[in-house]
Amino acid sequence: RKEVEQDPGPFNVPEGATVAFNCTYSNSASQSFFWYRQDCRKEPKLLMSVYSSGNEDGRFTAQLNRASQYISLLIRDSKLSDSATYLCVVSGGNTDKLIFGTGTRLQVFP
Amino acid sequence: SQTIHQWPATLVQPVGSPLSLECTVEGTSNPNLYWYRQAAGRGLQLLFYSVGIGQISSEVPQNLSASRPQDRQFILSSKKLLLSDSGFYLCAWSLHQSVPGTSAENEQFFGPGTRLTVL
Repeated sequence: RKEVEQDPGPFNVPEGATVAFNCTYSNSASQSFFWYRQDCRKEPKLLMSVYSSGNEDGRFTAQLNRASQYISLLIRDSKLSDSATYLCVVSGGNTDKLIFGTGTRLQVFP
Repeated sequence: SQTIHQWPATLVQPVGSPLSLECTVEGTSNPNLYWYRQAAGRGLQLLFYSVGIGQISSEVPQNLSASRPQDRQFILSSKKLLLSDSGFYLCAWSLHQSVPGTSAENEQFFGPGTRLTVL
């Protein structure tokens, strides 16, 4: 089983749509959770951290379910500029290392 | 504010040639530093990480080595490149934690990357 698993997509959605990505992780000792965004041929950039109580940043909502070892990202009112690959990232237990999923590709069309 | 630099941005090298990629961080002290490789269409693979000067942990056996000669400088090297070394090389930094894994604020910040093609 992969340490972090994501549906690779692509998710093709029209502008204004709501889209949700899911991610599962295998290490129950993980303490930190993030979503990163990676544009084509660019470096990953931190989109948001994911907290146990769930958190929202504008059109983006992230949720964590520790019992099921499951993380989600919801994007409301999709924009063309949201087109990118979204990486689910989990800490490697009691280390400073992060484990990156292979990403979910989102394509927003007009 | 903190910034991270990598160079060169792109590199084309013949098989068997040496490699040296450099990464420097500004605006923070004693960061954790990381080297990743991302092959075409693949996920990020951690190659090396460092928690301090001269301290290097290797994650996977490979043709590459890393060094940290100064606090905010991280170098990735090879004596003889292989075709399979082609990829997108990313350097990242994070805050140093006194006890690893105890803080939720260990997000990593990436440099712009070096795209290496070995022919």
